[in-house]
Amino acid sequence: DAGVTQSPTHLIKTRGQHVTLRCSPISGHKSVSWYQQVLGQGPQFIFQYYEKEERGRGNFPDRFSARQFPNYSSELNVNALLLGDSALYLCASSAVGAANSAYNEQFFGPGTRLTVL
Amino acid sequence: KNQVEQSPQSLIILEGKNCTLQCNYTVSPFSNLRWYKQDTGRGPVSLTIMTFSENTKSNGRYTATLDADTKQSSLHITASQLSDSASYICVVRIENGNKLVFGAGTILRVKS
Repeated sequence: DAGVTQSPTHLIKTRGQHVTLRCSPISGHKSVSWYQQVLGQGPQFIFQYYEKEERGRGNFPDRFSARQFPNYSSELNVNALLLGDSALYLCASSAVGAANSAYNEQFFGPGTRLTVL
Repeated sequence: KNQVEQSPQSLIILEGKNCTLQCNYTVSPFSNLRWYKQDTGRGPVSLTIMTFSENTKSNGRYTATLDADTKQSSLHITASQLSDSASYICVVRIENGNKLVFGAGTILRVKS
């Protein structure tokens, strides 16, 4: 069974451009979360989606948006890219979206390395 | 403020030696604590997960401990191997919420 997959693996953009990152969760998982990890730091929470609805949002500007599709895959969109958006973007999937299970494990994908020049 | 702090920031040890990584947290209300291993440029992989009532949990050569009273956790690696070289991240989940609070990680390098 495939784990969480993300595409593309690497991406180079210039300031002001727009980027779309994609994530496919583990089969049967309905929740997808997005994280930004700047080099040398831990991941920072951006969004969580469950059953195609936004269930959580981190402290990121409106330039960041996301959506989840009927097949539970997800896209993260970032507009008007800044140099500071350069990071590893991680997607994590879990079986449920609510925090009613202490063992609701999140499984991470390999990430997309975004470089903004 | 919900925070997770890890120490040391980085660590170099010889192959075969043991080491212990520390995690202090101020997250409240607490749900569970996880340790992840993250290879360079890859996504984190879960090593252990502990709830409030669990004091220790092992996964092969990895043993995690949790003291919920002092809000401290440790990850002990026994008989280190070169493949243990990675970043180890402590993550605390907030009860009744969807948020995970990540530490900055400890970078471990195992030398031969």
